Amino acid sequence: QVQLVESGGGVVQPGRSLRLSCVASGFTFSDYGMQWVRQAPGEGLEWVALISYDGTQSYYKDSVKGRFIISRDNSKNTLYLQMNSPRTDDTAIYYCAKEEHDHWGQGTLVTVTS
Amino acid sequence: DIQMTQSPSTLSASVGDRVTITCRASQTISSWLAWYQQTPGRAPKLLIYKASTLERGVPSRFSGSGSGTHFTLSISSLQPDDFATYYCQQYSGFPWTFGQGTKVDVK
Repeated sequence: QVQLVESGGGVVQPGRSLRLSCVASGFTFSDYGMQWVRQAPGEGLEWVALISYDGTQSYYKDSVKGRFIISRDNSKNTLYLQMNSPRTDDTAIYYCAKEEHDHWGQGTLVTVTS
Repeated sequence: DIQMTQSPSTLSASVGDRVTITCRASQTISSWLAWYQQTPGRAPKLLIYKASTLERGVPSRFSGSGSGTHFTLSISSLQPDDFATYYCQQYSGFPWTFGQGTKVDVK
């Protein structure tokens, strides 16, 4: 069965860096685009970024453009989100999901605080 | 960016009720719309994609309709597991965007 397992969340200071990972199994990872979606505590869902199946195209929410980098390693079935210069308003649970929206991970919590 | 507006924000209903949630897009998105259900502490679950296609394994009491800018999610007979928050999402153009959510609670 399809599984997406995120990791790498934690507490980070504003302006530092953090890298999230999402390991995929149960499907041919290299055939599918992948996305990151976040949810601040008590708030709604917010789309963050998407990467194409082969990693050649990526798209971002405006507020993270230039700070976050989505990437993937198809040889390791792994999706990444490099969070550079995080801000307090980046505090959220970060979910990875397939581009087709049908499978999601359980999420990893990122808390940005000084 | 395409803005997605859901209504109502909160809906109080009873088991057996028919429930309808509306999602409006700020510009046409054809049928590139998904609906999700989320319960506390859980990841979102896909219910409907392409505005009206039921995801495999989702009960048939859920249905979606609409195209262009006006969409609806209906639950024909509300069940205890259906008390949750529902979100629409457009994937017509980047950045993809979600509605603010509709919480369905017990009347």
